[in-house]
Amino acid sequence: GQQLNQSPQSMFIQEGEDVSMNCTSSSIFNTWLWYKQEPGEGPVLLIALYKAGELTSNGRLTAQFGITRKDSFLNISASIPSDVGIYFCAGLGMNYGGSQGNLIFGKGTKLSVKP
Amino acid sequence: GAVVSQHPSRVICKSGTSVKIECRSLDFQATTMFWYRQFPKQSLMLMATSNEGSKATYEQGVEKDKFLINHASLTLSTLTVTSAHPEDSSFYICSAKDTYNSPLHFGNGTRLTVT
Repeated sequence: GQQLNQSPQSMFIQEGEDVSMNCTSSSIFNTWLWYKQEPGEGPVLLIALYKAGELTSNGRLTAQFGITRKDSFLNISASIPSDVGIYFCAGLGMNYGGSQGNLIFGKGTKLSVKP
Repeated sequence: GAVVSQHPSRVICKSGTSVKIECRSLDFQATTMFWYRQFPKQSLMLMATSNEGSKATYEQGVEKDKFLINHASLTLSTLTVTSAHPEDSSFYICSAKDTYNSPLHFGNGTRLTVT
């Protein structure tokens, strides 16, 4: 089945540094989504990407939908302590079928920011 | 933006009892909602797709008699964990989308602990 490889698994950075994480797959996706999850809460949508090559920003966050439709990256600039959490990529596969039940999640990148 | 409310946020129950978790779309109607389960330090696993007015669609390996899903209205889906056992302890998250092409929005999750 379709799988997403998200890397890195974890990152320990200094406040103010930039962060980059990515997801890759051998399959093509129609939509890429990036979520952030804090302990004990549900994922919160950060950025949604719908077209190959699309580059979208949300404040200090920037994400891109790869041209091949098989990858996406998320960058966080000038990190701050409240950026800590787990970041998940998610892809919506080709077998859409009118639902998003086959939204496939990466395993997450745990971000720690040292003040 | 679209808001999904999940209740309760935490529940502790005794082995053998049943627990009901509610998922509500607060400012939109959702014909389809999704239920996920998340184990510590792992990504979200889709359990089932909840369809308003019809039976839920369960993912392979998910016991439909154990995890009862009811989607009685366009704004409410419920997940009932029946005859709960300690191994059912987990973080359960629901999600929904407000339009056909919109990304999923997640509830804040329910931490279930079965003693």
